[in-house]
Amino acid sequence: QVRLVESGGGVVQPGGSLRLSCAASGFTFSSHGMHWVRQAPGKGLEWVAFIRYDGSAKYYADSVQGRFTISRDNSKSSLSLQMNSLRTEDTALYYCTKAETVVSHDWGQGVLVTVSS
Amino acid sequence: DIQMTQSPSTLSASVGDRVTITCRASQNIHSWLAWYQQKPGKAPKVLIYKASNLKTGVTSRFSGSGSGTEFTLTISSLQPDDFATYYCQQYNSYPYIFGQGTRLEIK
Repeated sequence: QVRLVESGGGVVQPGGSLRLSCAASGFTFSSHGMHWVRQAPGKGLEWVAFIRYDGSAKYYADSVQGRFTISRDNSKSSLSLQMNSLRTEDTALYYCTKAETVVSHDWGQGVLVTVSS
Repeated sequence: DIQMTQSPSTLSASVGDRVTITCRASQNIHSWLAWYQQKPGKAPKVLIYKASNLKTGVTSRFSGSGSGTEFTLTISSLQPDDFATYYCQQYNSYPYIFGQGTRLEIK
């Protein structure tokens, strides 16, 4: 079955960088677009970024545009999110999701990112 | 950007009740709307996509309707397992904004 496992979270100071990874298995990774969605503690869901199945197009939320970069390696069934210039408001649980016609049908368990001095 | 407004923010109901949650879009999103359920400490799960299509394996107690700017999620007869937070999400155009969520609690 579909398995999505996020990693790379942790505590980082404001202005710092972090790279999240998502290891995918149980499906043909190269055939599906992928999203990152985040959830601040006690808050709602916030869509972060999307990448097409072949990496040919990428889209970002206004709040992360220019600071975050989504990428994928289809040979390794891996999704990444490079996060630079981190702010305290980026503190959240970050989920990677598998898209079916862009809808997030499968979700990982999430990885926590804490931005704090 | 398209804004999504859910109502109510909190809903108190009893087992067996029929409940409806509304999601309004700030502009026409046709039928490009999904509904998710999230339980505490768990990842969200998709229930409905394209406004009214039930995801395979999801109980038929859940149904979705609407198009354009107004959408509803209906639970026909609440069961204990249904008490959770529900989110709508538009996917007509980027950014794919979520509604703020509706917490369904036991009365």
